[in-house]
Amino acid sequence: AQTVTQSQPEMSVQEAETVTLSCTYDTSESDYYLFWYKQPPSRQMILVIRQEAYKQQNATENRFSVNFQKAAKSFSLKISDSQLGDAAMYFCAYRPNNAGNMLTFGGGTRLMVKP
Amino acid sequence: GAGVSQSPSNKVTEKGKDVELRCDPISGHTALYWYRQSLGQGLEFLIYFQGNSAPDKSGLPSDRFSAERTGGSVSTLTIQRTQQEDSAVYLCASSLVGTAGYNSPLHFGNGTRLTVT
Repeated sequence: AQTVTQSQPEMSVQEAETVTLSCTYDTSESDYYLFWYKQPPSRQMILVIRQEAYKQQNATENRFSVNFQKAAKSFSLKISDSQLGDAAMYFCAYRPNNAGNMLTFGGGTRLMVKP
Repeated sequence: GAGVSQSPSNKVTEKGKDVELRCDPISGHTALYWYRQSLGQGLEFLIYFQGNSAPDKSGLPSDRFSAERTGGSVSTLTIQRTQQEDSAVYLCASSLVGTAGYNSPLHFGNGTRLTVT
């Protein structure tokens, strides 16, 4: 069975600084997708960034980037130039490529941004 | 619609009562998913619809939980004889096709917060 682990229940960052959120996963699949979702108090899950396992290049979306280490099964999220609006719960998620239709989520990391 | 719509936003019910949670996906999205988020935890997959059929019901926690989808659009999640452990946020998501892959991202609603007293 696939599992996703986020070892940091809470993280704090100063506005304009950089923070890295950790995620590890366990799978026997070789082809899969990884995601980071943001959940603000509105409860809606918002896709932040995604990575295909077959791509060696780390995904980047503006201030958000990932460090994907396939052999280590690690998928961390780096937020640069943190903004107050980045404060939220962040969830790492995994999905296999072989007709997998649902995501396996980690337990989440609450990110606080200090002004 | 512009986004995935869920109703009610909040629901408080007494233990033993039945509840119905509604999800209206984005127009044209053929795939629909239900997740449960217990307090302080990640999302737990419940059930997935492709059109009106549910090829994957593996996540439903008990036979008190059921879901249906009609007309390839609106879905209803029903919980019978609610228990206190059913208290959670129930999130619905939809996508263009069945796979939540790169070109068919999941779009989530704002969820229904269910409280069983």
